[in-house]
Amino acid sequence: GDSVTQMEGPVTLSEEAFLTINCTYTATGYPSLFWYVQYPGEGLQLLLKATKADDKGSNKGFEATYRKETTSFHLEKGSVQVSDSAVYFCALRNSGGYQKVTFGIGTKLQVIP
Amino acid sequence: EAQVTQNPRYLITVTGKKLTVTCSQNMNHEYMSWYRQDPGLGLRQIYYSMNVEVTDKGDVPEGYKVSRKEKRNFPLILESPSPNQTSLYFCASSLTGVVNTEAFFGQGTRLTVV
Repeated sequence: GDSVTQMEGPVTLSEEAFLTINCTYTATGYPSLFWYVQYPGEGLQLLLKATKADDKGSNKGFEATYRKETTSFHLEKGSVQVSDSAVYFCALRNSGGYQKVTFGIGTKLQVIP
Repeated sequence: EAQVTQNPRYLITVTGKKLTVTCSQNMNHEYMSWYRQDPGLGLRQIYYSMNVEVTDKGDVPEGYKVSRKEKRNFPLILESPSPNQTSLYFCASSLTGVVNTEAFFGQGTRLTVV
């Protein structure tokens, strides 16, 4: 079945550091890929998405490129802020079956001043 | 405002006492689902529904029930809760048949079973 792999963390960075959170996936067909963010005490909200190979999703300074050849969707940000501290989930949704969203385990990011 | 509303946000209960967590969405979405979030395990799907009166098991359905009598509501029922159901629960909704659209999540319900 479909699966998403990402590091659990926590990842601790200083403010203004460069962020990379790796995400790789296994899926049949042509899934859409997503990054969700969960701030403390809140539900998940969409950060960015990409729906086909070589698409780049971007939002709030975060970017991720859909790489079909490496089955990856790594999240990057050039300069993190304390307000970016949250848990980040990589996810995919496939066109087959019942269109379930499959999540990675989530990566906790802590940004210190 | 488009939203998914869950209630209650926090719940402490005793083993075996039936409870219901409500979920309602105002986006006319066909697809609704329940997840539980546990440390080190991420989000795991409990049940999902592709439309009214159409529900099916997800990855971890044991000990849970759902119903979908109206399009907007998708309650999660724990008939006889046990301590291993202590978790953070999320309801989500999305469009069916459009895989490039995102899921919208509720704020979560933190359940403790003692």
